[in-house]
Amino acid sequence: EVQLVESGGGLVQPGRSLRLSCAASGFTFDDYAMHWVRQAPGKGLEWVSGISWNSGSIGYADSVKGRFTISRDNAKNSLYLQMNSLRAEDTALYYCAKDSGYDLRPSINWFDPWGQGTLVTVSS
Amino acid sequence: QSALTQPPSASGSPGQSVTISCTGTSSDVGGYNYVSWYQQHPGKAPKLMIYEVSKRPSGVPDRFSGSKSGNTASLTVSGLQAEDEADYYCSSYAGSNNSLFGTGTKVTVL
Repeated sequence: EVQLVESGGGLVQPGRSLRLSCAASGFTFDDYAMHWVRQAPGKGLEWVSGISWNSGSIGYADSVKGRFTISRDNAKNSLYLQMNSLRAEDTALYYCAKDSGYDLRPSINWFDPWGQGTLVTVSS
Repeated sequence: QSALTQPPSASGSPGQSVTISCTGTSSDVGGYNYVSWYQQHPGKAPKLMIYEVSKRPSGVPDRFSGSKSGNTASLTVSGLQAEDEADYYCSSYAGSNNSLFGTGTKVTVL
């Protein structure tokens, strides 16, 4: 069974940093691109970032570009999101999701499955 | 990078059909056949319902169908059931290693 388990969320002050992790199991991790998608409380889904199987292709939403860094460790079957210069508007439940393909090019395909999410709250 | 536009709400009685639209541009929905739809029940993670505009993953009832015309994609739920009451989101590849989600539609079964 494919399983994605996020961790690392919590309460953090504006301007500080946080690192999220996603532990993957049940599939060959380095065969697939992976993504982070977030959902602010009571709001809709927002794609945050994606990374290809070999980290050769990476994409970011404009809202996080320059502040967030996505990475992966295929040896550890893990996906990461380093979040710097956090703002109140980054408060959200952060989901890890598996792509159906291995690269972001020629396209990002679809997200399946999703983890249960880890909550990030940015507040003083 | 603006979110794709969906109606905030849709509703129907059990057994009826409801169709949700997802409007983008020629740079996303209209430019690629990588439109997908997700169902989200309260407090749960999203679940893939449709991929590549009109394909259903195994296990998804054939009451769910998808289509696209120009810059607008649609999800139709036929034979509405109580368990179909949820939030639905569309998603599309938007080029240059980017993806977009729709604004979301709350489906209510009357």
